[in-house]
Amino acid sequence: ETGVTQTPRHLVMGMTNKKSLKCEQHLGHNAMYWYKQSAKKPLELMFVYNFKEQTENNSVPSRFSPECPNSSHLFLHLHTLQPEDSALYLCASSQGRLQSSYNEQFFGPGTRLTVL
Amino acid sequence: QKEVEQNSGPLSVPEGAIASLNCTYSDRGSQSFFWYRQYSGKSPELIMFIYSNGDKEDGRFTAQLNKASQYVSLLIRDSQPSDSATYLCAVNRAGNQFYFGTGTSLTVIP
Repeated sequence: ETGVTQTPRHLVMGMTNKKSLKCEQHLGHNAMYWYKQSAKKPLELMFVYNFKEQTENNSVPSRFSPECPNSSHLFLHLHTLQPEDSALYLCASSQGRLQSSYNEQFFGPGTRLTVL
Repeated sequence: QKEVEQNSGPLSVPEGAIASLNCTYSDRGSQSFFWYRQYSGKSPELIMFIYSNGDKEDGRFTAQLNKASQYVSLLIRDSQPSDSATYLCAVNRAGNQFYFGTGTSLTVIP
């Protein structure tokens, strides 16, 4: 256990559905991240929140909408997804020291998403 | 040019041998470097991080960093079948931007 939890672990949804992924960290970290991991591709950073403020949005389609109500919780709201969005979605957290690179990331177990 | 490059493998080594995993990165401003192990169907697990040139040892693992050559490696001594996994190299510039390689698949043969 890394101290980062994600729910649900598996999700199957149709293209017209709306669903949300949840992430919670118990490490006292200030930065939280969403990544997408597809087969044969590097981890793709989607969103970063630092002290609840979004600091990165790497050209992610608007059908993915993040929400960070506090430093311990992170959501990813999904709406009208495409089959190519099927992937493993990983949440991570780190200390979030913006002026430093000493920011080890710890990952949650991931949500395996399948879009039909 | 990719931010982080790794040989995808697969790399096969016999049990007890040394496994050597390599990674290069493109941004000279990168400051910290990480190795993650990922078992099939699981999330990445942090196993080593290194910030300074030279070697850093932790048990059977040694990370090596050469900033002049923009090169970071991971050595696994006395490889065990349980070390069979995909190893991800990650690089961090200042702040929250992390870049990952595609990973190297390692198989340790009993």
